[in-house]
Amino acid sequence: GEDVEQSLFLSVREGDSSVINCTYTDSSSTYLYWYKQEPGAGLQLLTYIFSNMDMKQDQRLTVLLNKKDKHLSLRIADTQTGDSAIYFCAEREGTYKYIFGTGTRLKVLA
Amino acid sequence: SAVISQKPSRDICQRGTSLTIQCQVDSQVTMMFWYRQQPGQSLTLIATANQGSEATYESGFVIDKFPISRPNLTFSTLTVSNMSPEDSSIYLCSVEGLGQGRDEQFFGPGTRLTVL
Repeated sequence: GEDVEQSLFLSVREGDSSVINCTYTDSSSTYLYWYKQEPGAGLQLLTYIFSNMDMKQDQRLTVLLNKKDKHLSLRIADTQTGDSAIYFCAEREGTYKYIFGTGTRLKVLA
Repeated sequence: SAVISQKPSRDICQRGTSLTIQCQVDSQVTMMFWYRQQPGQSLTLIATANQGSEATYESGFVIDKFPISRPNLTFSTLTVSNMSPEDSSIYLCSVEGLGQGRDEQFFGPGTRLTVL
């Protein structure tokens, strides 16, 4: 199977920008996703990007995709304490299967 | 967006017993899936729940251990059979095919299982 890797931890100060990185290996992935998981909760779909796009912006979220390097990033502007959670990237393999990354635990310091 | 619920939200079970987890969606969906998230780990797909036919299992997962039902387009169950402590995980259902979101999977809140 394919591997999707993320750094395990990120700590930022409230009001700063957060950048969460992800590398994937399946160059044929059509969609790449970002999910947020708060403590004790399921996964919340934040945003996704189609593989023929370089960038997608949605309010405070900016997704950048570098297909050549198979690198995906999620930037959160003006990070708030409510953004503290685990963030998972995922690539779509084939028609329905998602391969999830290892997750990045974001801690926002007040 | 649709509401996805799971029952139970958590349970503590004894070794050797079985637990059935329910997933209910408030609208019809094309695809339903079951994932496992072991403590501190990422999500792993167990199987695709097919309506009216046997589930499609991923490598490493078998029907005898994780029987799945999907009697209609809004409901599925996952049974964790003959449990051992290694089965302690969060089990999540997800759905795809909600309205226009054909390429998005949405997740239920999860069932946190602890096996003693």
